[in-house]
Amino acid sequence: ETGVTQTPRHLVMGMTNKKSLKCEQHLGHNAMYWYKQSAKKPLELMFVYSLEERVENNSVPSRFSPECPNSSHLFLHLHTLQPEDSALYLCASSQGAGVYNEQFFGPGTRLTVL
Amino acid sequence: DQQVKQNSPSLSVQEGRISILNCDYTNSMFDYFLWYKKYPAEGPTFLISISSIKDKNEDGRFTVFLNKSAKHLSLHIVPSQPGDSAVYFCAASFQTGANNLFFGTGTRLTVIP
Repeated sequence: ETGVTQTPRHLVMGMTNKKSLKCEQHLGHNAMYWYKQSAKKPLELMFVYSLEERVENNSVPSRFSPECPNSSHLFLHLHTLQPEDSALYLCASSQGAGVYNEQFFGPGTRLTVL
Repeated sequence: DQQVKQNSPSLSVQEGRISILNCDYTNSMFDYFLWYKKYPAEGPTFLISISSIKDKNEDGRFTVFLNKSAKHLSLHIVPSQPGDSAVYFCAASFQTGANNLFFGTGTRLTVIP
């Protein structure tokens, strides 16, 4: 595997389910990000991890819970989601968390909440 | 409230001609700007960037222009090629602090052979 991979690519879940999105980067980076892209809206940053510590949390509801066990893996744990949480969830990584550090994106997980 | 806007959802251009994609922003504190390109079923990939101390940055067929007074930037692609057909996202950030990118909604470019 190369670059940034995300699994699953598609996920359909009910509002009472608990699921997790997984991201893995094979680039040796030390910063990872979760973004959300809802229909007709721009990508919105949700979480930033640098050296496995959360450095940014953009007022995301607690039903989204990130986890970064090491610099190569990032999870987004989902529980009690709402239909409006249906969106494309993108993971990214960079070497360093500064703005000049290019972010490399995964292909995304398309989430549908019924 | 959206701080970065791409008002044209789509653009069609003949192969070999110039493509001009536009982006406006509202926050005058933004000082670093980027363009990303996205193919279907793939994540966005970085294309080109510009710092607010410059008004132009060029990389091969791609040139980004920044007009700070108008809070406007544009991406020029010359000559356009069919492989350039993709969705282009404009993003803005602050040079200090965490890598928090504010994206536009994207413009879908179609280059007609």
